[in-house]
Amino acid sequence: QKEVEQDPGPLSVPEGAIVSLNCTYSNSAFQYFMWYRQYSRKGPELLMYTYSSGNKEDGRFTAQVDKSSKYISLFIRDSQPSDSATYLCAMSRSGSARQLTFGSGTQLTVLP
Amino acid sequence: NAGVTQTPKFQVLKTGQSMTLQCAQDMNHNSMYWYRQDPGMGLRLIYYSASEGTTDKGEVPNGYNVSRLNKREFSLRLESAAPSQTSVYFCASSDLRTATYEQYFGPGTRLTVT
Repeated sequence: QKEVEQDPGPLSVPEGAIVSLNCTYSNSAFQYFMWYRQYSRKGPELLMYTYSSGNKEDGRFTAQVDKSSKYISLFIRDSQPSDSATYLCAMSRSGSARQLTFGSGTQLTVLP
Repeated sequence: NAGVTQTPKFQVLKTGQSMTLQCAQDMNHNSMYWYRQDPGMGLRLIYYSASEGTTDKGEVPNGYNVSRLNKREFSLRLESAAPSQTSVYFCASSDLRTATYEQYFGPGTRLTVT
C-alpha cells in the first residue's frame, strides 16, 4: 500500500466550477503538506503549503488538512481553463532533509 | 536567474549503455534531489543530497549513482541502463533555512531505454 493515495482522475469540469482534489495518507509522522501543480511537459511548481492541521487560503485556492482523518484537500473556486494541469499532493516529516512523498497526481481539465 | 537546469532534455539509450544526467541550480540552495516520474506512480525520490558533500538513498535508488560535484551541481548516473529505467527524471533543489518545504524543479529529462 502506498503511503500517499490520490485519485488519478482524469477530472473534467466546466469553467467556473468548484474543484475538489483529495489525498489520503497512512504515515502519521507527516507534518508538512503541499500541493504542486504540473503543466504538461513541465516540472512541478509549489501551489500551496500547510503545516499541520487547518485551512489555508490563497486567492481562488484553499488547502485543508485533517490530520485526525489523515486526509488533505485542495479546493479551486471559479476554475479557469488555465487551471488545467496535473495536481500532486506531497508530504514531509520533520527532520527528514525535506524529503517529499508525492501522491500519483490528479489530471484536471477545465473546459471553456 | 535560470533556477534549476537539466541536460539533456531528451535521450534514447540502448540496454546496457551508460549515461549521466546533469543538474545545476543558481539559487544557492543547500539541498538537491533526483526524482523519476512514471505514469500512475507520481514522483519517486531516487537520491538526495542534504548539503554539499553528502548523499543519501531515496525510495528507488537501485541502478543509479549520484555525485554532488559542488553546491550548484548534482549529477545522476545510470551505469547500465535497463528498459525499466525509461522515465522522466526531475532534479530539484531546496533551501533548508526557509520555513516552507518548497522544492524548485527543473524542466525534466525524458529518457527512453530500448
